[in-house]
Order: sequence, then C-alpha cells, then structure tokens
Amino acid sequence: EVQLQESGPSLVKPSQTLSLTCSVTGDSITSGYWNWIRKFPGNKFEYLGYITYSGSTYYNPSLKSRISITRDTSNNQYSLQLNSVTTGDTATYYCTRGERFDPFDYWGQGTSLTVSS
Amino acid sequence: QIVLTQSPALMSASTGEKVTMTCSASSSVGYIYWYQLKPRSSPKPWIYLTSNLASGVPARFSGSGSGTSYSLTISSMEAEDAATYYCQQWSGNPPTFGAGTKLELK
Repeated sequence: EVQLQESGPSLVKPSQTLSLTCSVTGDSITSGYWNWIRKFPGNKFEYLGYITYSGSTYYNPSLKSRISITRDTSNNQYSLQLNSVTTGDTATYYCTRGERFDPFDYWGQGTSLTVSS
Repeated sequence: QIVLTQSPALMSASTGEKVTMTCSASSSVGYIYWYQLKPRSSPKPWIYLTSNLASGVPARFSGSGSGTSYSLTISSMEAEDAATYYCQQWSGNPPTFGAGTKLELK
C-alpha cells in the first residue's frame, strides 16, 4: 500500500523559511506526480505545487517566488520549502500523489503548521 | 484560475433521504473530482473524472455533470455519509478546490 508521511516543524516565526518533507513508501517518486496541498483553518484547500517523476516542477502562481519543491530519490522523499512565511501560511500541509487525469488518491496524514512570533 | 462554487455550504438529511449537492465552475472544465473529508482524517478520493466511484465507495453515490455544472448525489442517505464533500478540477492550472458542502445527519 502506498503511504505518505509529512514531517517538519509545527511552529515557524514570521519571515522565516518553512521546510517540510514527505516520505513515501509503497511507490517510487520516480514515477508519477507528487504534490503539496494545504488546508487553511476554516477548511479551504489551496494547491501548492508538484514535482514529477523526472524532477520537473510546477508551482501555484499565487505563491510567486516563495516556493520550491525538491526531491531525494535515494530516500524516496520530496520536500517543500516556503520562504518569508506570514501568519497567512498557517495551515495543515498535506503531501499527495496524483496528476491531471488521476485524483489525489493517496494523502499523508497532514502536518499542522502555525506561523507565529 | 478556475473558481469552483459549491452549494449548499451546509445541509442536513435524514436516513434514507436523497441528497444532491452541486459544484459550479467559473469556466468550463472537462471533469470534476470529489473528495470526502471527515474530522481528524485526510481527504479520501470519492468520485473521479465526474462519474466514476473510487474504490470502496458505496453504489448509492453518483456523480454527473459537464461544462460548468456538476453534482454529487446520494440516492439514500446513510449515517456514515455525514462528512464534508469537496469538488476539485484540474482542467486548468492551478488545480483548484471548492469550499466544500458539509452534510450532516438530521
């Protein structure tokens, strides 16, 4: 069975950089698309971006130049980096597998992030 | 980006009642996905490519629609169906989600 597990800090100060990692078992990140999605308090979802089987990336334009998604194929992990965080980045962050013609079929349990001084 | 508007935001239904919720897109999309979210759980894929039930989803669920108008229907409400349902599109970038319909058991 495919499993995804997010890891990272639960609290980050404003203006700092958020780094989260998604560890994948049961599938290889060298196949398919691997995504980051977040859910704000109040339960609105926002798509952040993906990294593909070949290492190509796509980012939501709303995040402008603040976001970066990288991967470590040797450990079957991929990571999210979000720079210059604000309180508006407080959310639960999920890593998921899925692409345009396939649903987000496997999700991590989500990691709750608070941005506060 | 394509905005998805779900209605109603909140609804309640009795066991056995038929339930219909809608997802309206700001521009035409080729298909819609639906997800079920319950408290303290991650979203579960529920309906993909507009009308196909994900594995394990009861046959009382169905999805339909085209263009800018899509719907999810439960033919006969069961207690376990109480949850929040989200629609999602990836016809245009970025992928977007609706704000959800919270379905409660009356």
